[in-house]
Amino acid sequence: KNEVEQSPQNLTAQEGEFITINCSYSVGISALHWLQQHPGGGIVSLFMLSSGKKKHGRLIATINIQEKHSSLHITASHPRDSAVYICAVRSSDYGGSQGNLIFGKGTKLSVKP
Amino acid sequence: NAGVMQNPRHLVRRRGQEARLRCSPMKGHSHVYWYRQLPEEGLKFMVYLQKENIIDESGMPKERFSAEFPKEGPSILRIQQVVRGDSAAYFCASSPPGQRSGANVLTFGAGSRLTVL
Repeated sequence: KNEVEQSPQNLTAQEGEFITINCSYSVGISALHWLQQHPGGGIVSLFMLSSGKKKHGRLIATINIQEKHSSLHITASHPRDSAVYICAVRSSDYGGSQGNLIFGKGTKLSVKP
Repeated sequence: NAGVMQNPRHLVRRRGQEARLRCSPMKGHSHVYWYRQLPEEGLKFMVYLQKENIIDESGMPKERFSAEFPKEGPSILRIQQVVRGDSAAYFCASSPPGQRSGANVLTFGAGSRLTVL
């Protein structure tokens, strides 16, 4: 079993829909990252969380430390949101350094006009 | 501010040759990380460096792979005697100094795509 699991693997939505992508992890963590990988391959860091909730524009990220679960929400989705969204955690169990992240396999989002 | 610069963007090597991938971190960033993304797989951490020091190389393959971040110039990921299984996208990220533990924000480069024939 992977230490970081994302669901769904693939998601197709109509423009304007509210989207939720889920991330569950099985290790203790000191931080959780949400990343966006564009169709061209480039990666952008969206959020870094250790507790609570963060919002940036139409994106909202939440984390529940007790339940070892995080969600990424996109409101009023748009075709330009089409990308792969990746959850990654820095484990506190292994004493890894910063940047030593465990990545989920990603959720491929396609937003249709 | 040019961001994290990686080059080359695409590199083709024959089996047995050497591959050198370069990463210049964002201005003001002194921490560099390398990640590998194999085809159809997720990203994997390889190594974390600060200037002239390897901090964490727990994700580096034991043989043929090395990384450095000299006092002057870019960080370099070097793969000797490449094999077809080394074909992947290699991403570099950087972060500034002075971040509290577990709270670093990463800026990624566009990646270098290595193809081994």
